[in-house]
Amino acid sequence: QKEVEQNSGPLSVPEGAIASLNCTYSDRGSQSFFWYRQYSGKSPELIMFIYSNGDKEDGRFTAQLNKASQYVSLLIRDSQPSDSATYLCAVNPRNTGNQFYFGTGTSLTVIP
Amino acid sequence: NAGVMQNPRHLVRRRGQEARLRCSPMKGHSHVYWYRQLPEEGLKFMVYLQKENIIDESGMPKERFSAEFPKEGPSILRIQQVVRGDSAAYFCASSSGQRRGYGYTFGSGTRLTVV
Repeated sequence: QKEVEQNSGPLSVPEGAIASLNCTYSDRGSQSFFWYRQYSGKSPELIMFIYSNGDKEDGRFTAQLNKASQYVSLLIRDSQPSDSATYLCAVNPRNTGNQFYFGTGTSLTVIP
Repeated sequence: NAGVMQNPRHLVRRRGQEARLRCSPMKGHSHVYWYRQLPEEGLKFMVYLQKENIIDESGMPKERFSAEFPKEGPSILRIQQVVRGDSAAYFCASSSGQRRGYGYTFGSGTRLTVV
């Protein structure tokens, strides 16, 4: 079982719609959770982090965390073509110090 | 304030040669992390270093790979006798302290191609 799992997609949504990206993790004691965006050929860019159960909103982005279900998601409201990228979920498990586990990413395409 | 600087951006090596990847952390940062991204795979942790010390190298392959972060100068990831399977993007991140709760800011990466 992988430490962090994501649906690889591709996920396609029309411009203006809500994009929903999902991630599950295996270490129940994980403390912190991150979403990165990666454009093709570029480095990952941190867009959200969340520590507590519930929702955290930042502009058009909302991260949702459910530790009981070991599930974290990212919602992108009013999706724009510029949101088209691969979204990486990352988790800092309990006993790994500074090591982060990344999922393989979900490819999102926003259709104009 | 420049971000994390990596060079070269692209590196081509023939099988059996050595590859040296450099990472200059953000100003004031003394912690460096190296990750590797293989095609169609997620980012994989390789090594965590502080100045002159390797703190965690649990993700480093046992052979041919080494890393250092000297008192002066950039952090270096060294791959000896490269093979085609080493072709990947190598990313570096830095922090001023332990970053468990705050995520990383990555450099632009070095894309290594072994021919």
